[in-house]
Amino acid sequence: AQSVSQHNHHVILSEAASLELGCNYSYGGTVNLFWYVQYPGQHLQLLLKYFSGDPLVKGIKGFEAEFIKSKFSFNLRKPSVQWSDTAEYFCAVNAGYSTLTFGKGTMLLVSP
Amino acid sequence: NAGVTQTPKFRILKIGQSMTLQCTQDMNHNYMYWYRQDPGMGLKLIYYSVGAGITDKGEVPNGYNVSRSTTEDFPLRLELAAPSQTSVYFCASSYPGGRSGELFFGEGSRLTVL
Repeated sequence: AQSVSQHNHHVILSEAASLELGCNYSYGGTVNLFWYVQYPGQHLQLLLKYFSGDPLVKGIKGFEAEFIKSKFSFNLRKPSVQWSDTAEYFCAVNAGYSTLTFGKGTMLLVSP
Repeated sequence: NAGVTQTPKFRILKIGQSMTLQCTQDMNHNYMYWYRQDPGMGLKLIYYSVGAGITDKGEVPNGYNVSRSTTEDFPLRLELAAPSQTSVYFCASSYPGGRSGELFFGEGSRLTVL
């Protein structure tokens, strides 16, 4: 069975700081990788996804993630965060047609 | 399109009561899911369905039941509510097969069991 580990439970940054949220998964085969975001009081929305091809994927609102197969990692990055990026971020993985497995989430607080 | 619609948004139950969380989607998605979200624990899959008449257990199915009589609807029933079922419940849907990881979520239902 697949599993997902997110390195940080809480991250606090000032506006304009750079962001990197760690995500590692455990599964020996081909996987699909996702980052979801949950803004305060809202439901989860897809931020970006990786199925195959270029390991650097770009999502909405200036976010990107890099798939490093040798490290089983799919870290989320943003060069300069804004106050509106305050949210909880979830890494998720599925293998083939299996159901999605979520990490425990990282709460990001951006101070103005 | 309304997307995924869940009702009710909030509910307080007493221990031992039963209730049904409703979920409807208008995107003609084959796959539907129920997750529960607890602080610091991420999302846990309760039940899912790959089409009308087909349901399967997820990671935490105990205390819950589902049915899928139509493509659009996927209600979640709580029998004999317990405090451990206090949580936020999210219904989601997706396309089948290789795009099944792209979930569309409802707004959530916050349930408190006292």
